[in-house]
Amino acid sequence: DQQVKQNSPSLSVQEGRISILNCDYTNSMFDYFLWYKKYPAEGPTFLISISSIKDKNEDGRFTVFLNKSAKHLSLHIVPSQPGDSAVYFCAARKTGANNLFFGTGTRLTVIP
Amino acid sequence: GAVVSQHPSWVICKSGTSVKIECRSLDFQATTMFWYRQFPKQSLMLMATSNEGSKATYEQGVEKDKFLINHASLTLSTLTVTSAHPEDSSFYICSALPDREETQYFGPGTRLLVL
Repeated sequence: DQQVKQNSPSLSVQEGRISILNCDYTNSMFDYFLWYKKYPAEGPTFLISISSIKDKNEDGRFTVFLNKSAKHLSLHIVPSQPGDSAVYFCAARKTGANNLFFGTGTRLTVIP
Repeated sequence: GAVVSQHPSWVICKSGTSVKIECRSLDFQATTMFWYRQFPKQSLMLMATSNEGSKATYEQGVEKDKFLINHASLTLSTLTVTSAHPEDSSFYICSALPDREETQYFGPGTRLLVL
């Protein structure tokens, strides 16, 4: 049962434009959400996170938006750079727990 | 800061042998570490939660006698794949949760190939 879903397996964006990666979840007990970036044969690298008490968190070129009523979050990258090309995983954590539930990932390709 | 290392990065072994993978938090203490497994083109699947000084908590469907976890210190957790078989071939990734923080930091992963 996939509780965190990333329905777009891939996304291509022109350099300089905005990349929007989407994530949906089903469990209302999730209260903390994270985005990780992953290159092949490497571990995920933490990008940005958001608590369920917020609806937006921004860090440089990366902004995460959370819509609790829709159980949806998105990661915006602007401007996109070729070095952003990687697989992006959305992850969620339940209240009172430490373990993460991961989505299936979206492969982002930024075209120079 | 928040660097996690794994060793080895690659291992090839014969069927029936055991393989130990180490996960270390290099610049922080982590009471809790996690072990994940990733199959090709799939997501990371949590195998077990490792707690320093106590027994690991295994996810449903993960054989605890097959995947032995030891978390002997606040900076080291080990995963031993016992009597490895070809179906155990996979990418194993650990993560560490710094004490009093909410974000897990991941190691670079270990590619295991069982012949």
